[in-house]
Amino acid sequence: DTAVSQTPKYLVTQMGNDKSIKCEQNLGHDTMYWYKQDSKKFLKIMFSYNNKELIINETVPNRFSPKSPDKAHLNLHINSLELGDSAVYFCASSQEVGTSGRRFFGPGTRLTVL
Amino acid sequence: GENVGLHLPTLSVQEGDNSIINCAYSNSASDYFIWYKQESGKGPQFIIDIRSNMDKRQGQRVTVLLNKTVKHLSLQIAATQPGDSAVYFCAETPPQGAQKLVFGQGTRLTINP
Repeated sequence: DTAVSQTPKYLVTQMGNDKSIKCEQNLGHDTMYWYKQDSKKFLKIMFSYNNKELIINETVPNRFSPKSPDKAHLNLHINSLELGDSAVYFCASSQEVGTSGRRFFGPGTRLTVL
Repeated sequence: GENVGLHLPTLSVQEGDNSIINCAYSNSASDYFIWYKQESGKGPQFIIDIRSNMDKRQGQRVTVLLNKTVKHLSLQIAATQPGDSAVYFCAETPPQGAQKLVFGQGTRLTINP
């Protein structure tokens, strides 16, 4: 009965590799997000999708490419991984666009780039 | 801009005492505020929210206070328990809309036995 799930939970990889993180929500929400949390716990939005359409694309290197095959899934693909990409990545979803936007977060994926 | 901030990065309280976590925001036009709790190894979890047309809202053991005059938000936790140990974030929705929910830095709350 998990609301927002992510896989994998941990990801350790070498610099230069390409990796993907998957996210699924079973809440029936229209909007999904990717957040990056750095070592100081600061949460910064990366992307937002509404009904498979990109709504927000913050200043994120184009090595990061989100893909939403349907409104219940939002995957994050990262090319040519760099040391600075090491962080915890959270997927989230919300019910309403243009209103309060209370987020429901997944458990996070801890990415470590060596 | 991203100027939701916290006065204290860490807070230690005795079990059973009340905790107050503070947050300052910069956008006077923000109309919705949320407090999240993040336990170790988990994602942020919603605690309580408040709209700008209110100055106080109560939940179970938690109260959020909003002072729009000084752009200040606080979270009060009554009778703090060990399970309250976590990082707490405030977040605001600026006029640009809900997708732009901006998070503060976070305050780590530690409960002493």
